[in-house]
Amino acid sequence: DSGVTQTPKHLITATGQRVTLRCSPRSGDLSVYWYQQSLDQGLQFLIQYYNGEERAKGNILERFSAQQFPDLHSELNLSSLELGDSALYFCASSVNVDRGEQYFGPGTRLTVT
Amino acid sequence: AQSVTQLGSHVSVSEGALVLLRCNYSSSVPPYLFWYVQYPNQGLQLLLKYTTGATLVKGINGFEAEFKKSETSFHLTKPSAHMSDAAEYFCAVTPSGGYQKVTFGTGTKLQVIP
Repeated sequence: DSGVTQTPKHLITATGQRVTLRCSPRSGDLSVYWYQQSLDQGLQFLIQYYNGEERAKGNILERFSAQQFPDLHSELNLSSLELGDSALYFCASSVNVDRGEQYFGPGTRLTVT
Repeated sequence: AQSVTQLGSHVSVSEGALVLLRCNYSSSVPPYLFWYVQYPNQGLQLLLKYTTGATLVKGINGFEAEFKKSETSFHLTKPSAHMSDAAEYFCAVTPSGGYQKVTFGTGTKLQVIP
């Protein structure tokens, strides 16, 4: 158990809908990262927040957005969903802006039908 | 910009045999390098990391990796494979200076044959 929690574990929704994925980092970790993992794209970095502020952006679509709240939990919002958005979405956290030593949550499996 | 290449998307070894998973990187500045493992239906877990200092890095579960600057490699090894090592392994790189995102390789699935 990494100490990072993600909800929900599974999500099934229809095209065009909007969903919110939630992540609680390990106690004491200030950085939160979001990743998308799919069979065809592999593991893709989406975005990182540090202590409430956006610090880095990766291959995140404009239909996707995220935020980190004062209590350090983070939400990833996915809108106008398409079939191709079906994937595993991981949240990871780290103590500071250290880039590599990250602790991953169990993921949310999103299925868009 | 940095990149990571993992040679071989699937590797099979016999139980008790040497495990060798290859990772080559490119980075315009000295890198930090990592290996992560992902078991089925789980998130990634850090196996080991290289930042500075000793180039031979030991990690969890008997794995180790050696940073070879001249070869731009960071291969992962384990002397004797165990059935429980069957998983997907990801190499990752990030530049050591300033903040930039981590780049993950495409992963290598390790199969251990009894």
